[in-house]
Parts: sequence; C-alpha cells; structure tokens
Amino acid sequence: TQLLEQSPQFLSIQEGENLTVYCNSSSVFSSLQWYRQEPGEGPVLLVTVVTGGEVKKLKRLTFQFGDARKDSSLHITAAQTGDTGLYLCAGVGSNYKLTFGKGTLLTVNP
Amino acid sequence: KAGVTQTPRYLIKTRGQQVTLSCSPISGHRSVSWYQQTPGQGLQFLFEYFSETQRNKGNFPGRFSGRQFSNSRSEMNVSTLELGDSALYLCASSSVTGDYGYTFGSGTRLTVV
Repeated sequence: TQLLEQSPQFLSIQEGENLTVYCNSSSVFSSLQWYRQEPGEGPVLLVTVVTGGEVKKLKRLTFQFGDARKDSSLHITAAQTGDTGLYLCAGVGSNYKLTFGKGTLLTVNP
Repeated sequence: KAGVTQTPRYLIKTRGQQVTLSCSPISGHRSVSWYQQTPGQGLQFLFEYFSETQRNKGNFPGRFSGRQFSNSRSEMNVSTLELGDSALYLCASSSVTGDYGYTFGSGTRLTVV
C-alpha cells in the first residue's frame, strides 16, 4: 500500500507570511499532484509534477518534486486570505491509482 | 468544456437502505474514480473504472460497488447503509493514466440517519 504523509495537518498564519507544506512517502510515484479544496466542493488541481527534481511556479506558489520522486513540497510566498483552504497532495502510483495525503488545512488571517 | 457532474448533490437516507450516486465525466475522459471523504479519514479511494472495466479497487466492503457505462458515465451503489457511510462522495475523471491530473465533481453529500 502506497501512503503519503502530509504535514503539517493544520496551519494558521497571518497575511504576508510564508509557509511550506510537505508531502512524504516511502514509495515512488510516477507523478505528484497538488489540489486545493474549498468546503463542500471537490478538490481543484493546482499543479502536476512528473520529473524528479522538477520545480514549478504558479504565481506565489512554488511546487517541488523530490529527486527520487517520493516527496514533494508546496511553498507559498506572502500568503493572502484568499489562499485559505485545504491543500492536498496526491501521488499516481502503480496501475494509475491516485493516493491522497490527509491534507493541510491552511487559515490565513487578515 | 463541461466539468464533472455529480448527482444528486445532497441525499439523506435511513440505515439499511441503499443508494445510487451518478457521475458524468468530462467528455473524452475514459477513467472515472470514486472517493469517500470524511473529516477523520480524509479522501479514501473506493474504485476506478476505465473503459467499463474496474481497474483499481480500494479497501472498502462489498456493500460498495460501481459500474461504468459505454459513454463513460459511472454510478456507485451502497447497499445496507450504515451511519458510518455518511460522507462526501467525490467522483473524478482523467485521461488514460491520470498523470496530468484529475478533475473532480462537487460531490454528493450523503447523510445516513
């Protein structure tokens, strides 16, 4: 069974601060995906990283895939209240099965 | 293009009843996956269908079943409902491998009383 450990589970910060969310596994994934979910809605894809060592930037969000394709991180610079939400990492493993971490609930306070 | 459509949006059922949820994927997507989301367990994989065949299955009891039709639409069924089945059920569609991301529906909120 492929598992993804996501940390921290909860994060409460002030607007303008920086933060990093981590996603770790002992398994290798063919790709690692990050989603953001609002209450009562389905997750929305933010980014997919496929190549080991890959770094992708989406405005103030920076995503990194570990060299061994077992871990990933999400860094947010100068967080805004609109960044509040549940951030989920997910890995595509053997036979195309998508496994999710438990998520990081981010609250950005004004 | 239209997104993933799940119906119904909300459902209240009594213990022991059965329920059927529906999911229409993005046009051209042949893979449909189902997830159960609860506050304590997060998103748990139920099963995935590709071209009408179950390609993957999670660790849920046999009361949970699904199917996919030739137009890629999918249904999941839960029989003999238990209180613990109360959850948000999410459907996601993707291309063949899913490596480039999944598109999720808004989910069906099932409450078992």
